[in-house]
Amino acid sequence: EIVLTQSPGTLSLSPGEGATLSCRASQSVSSSYLAWYQQKPGQAPRLLIYGASSRATGIPDRFSGSGSGTDFTLTISRLEPEDFAVYYCQQYGRLPPLTFGGGTKVEIK
Amino acid sequence: EVQLVESGGGLVQPGGSLRLSCAASGFTLSRYSMIWVRQPPGKGLEWVSYIFTSSSTTYYADSVKGRFTISRDNAKNSLYLQMNSLREEDTAVYYCAEYSGFSHFWGQGTLVTVSS
Repeated sequence: EIVLTQSPGTLSLSPGEGATLSCRASQSVSSSYLAWYQQKPGQAPRLLIYGASSRATGIPDRFSGSGSGTDFTLTISRLEPEDFAVYYCQQYGRLPPLTFGGGTKVEIK
Repeated sequence: EVQLVESGGGLVQPGGSLRLSCAASGFTLSRYSMIWVRQPPGKGLEWVSYIFTSSSTTYYADSVKGRFTISRDNAKNSLYLQMNSLREEDTAVYYCAEYSGFSHFWGQGTLVTVSS
């Protein structure tokens, strides 16, 4: 099973600042089969990034993904008020099981 | 517009059963593999089960194997999760989602509470 560890657990930032979220895998994620989701309270997850770096339809270009192997990063270039949420990474290179990271909460400072 | 709508959640006693449904509209379910993902209150996302387009392949998380059964009726554009021998730790919001490796489309979730 590929275990995904996200850091930090919480990121306290102000609107307009940049955010860097990390996702580290316990084994190499094949073909960069890694996705990022955003989740707001009471809502379902929303796909942001797939294939480690491809933005999903309708996702603003302030969101970008990078990385390969075991280390992946989600970068939000300038935080907008609607970006404060919890972010999860997910690997889909090896199923079963499909695994998610524990999440990073981006909160308003 | 694509919509996935879960139903069937509720309060059940430990050891009880529930059947969740996921109805798809604006979306041809038969073309996609599907998954169930759950989220305990205040916690993160946990994958529960997977089913291939034709139902020929299914997978389960170890935590539910032998207790939960995923199925689909492509003619009814619907996905199901039969949950038996429920435990308190199964308490969560259950989401259905399309699976292309990643998931573009998610339902809004249905809450399952297992408590005496």
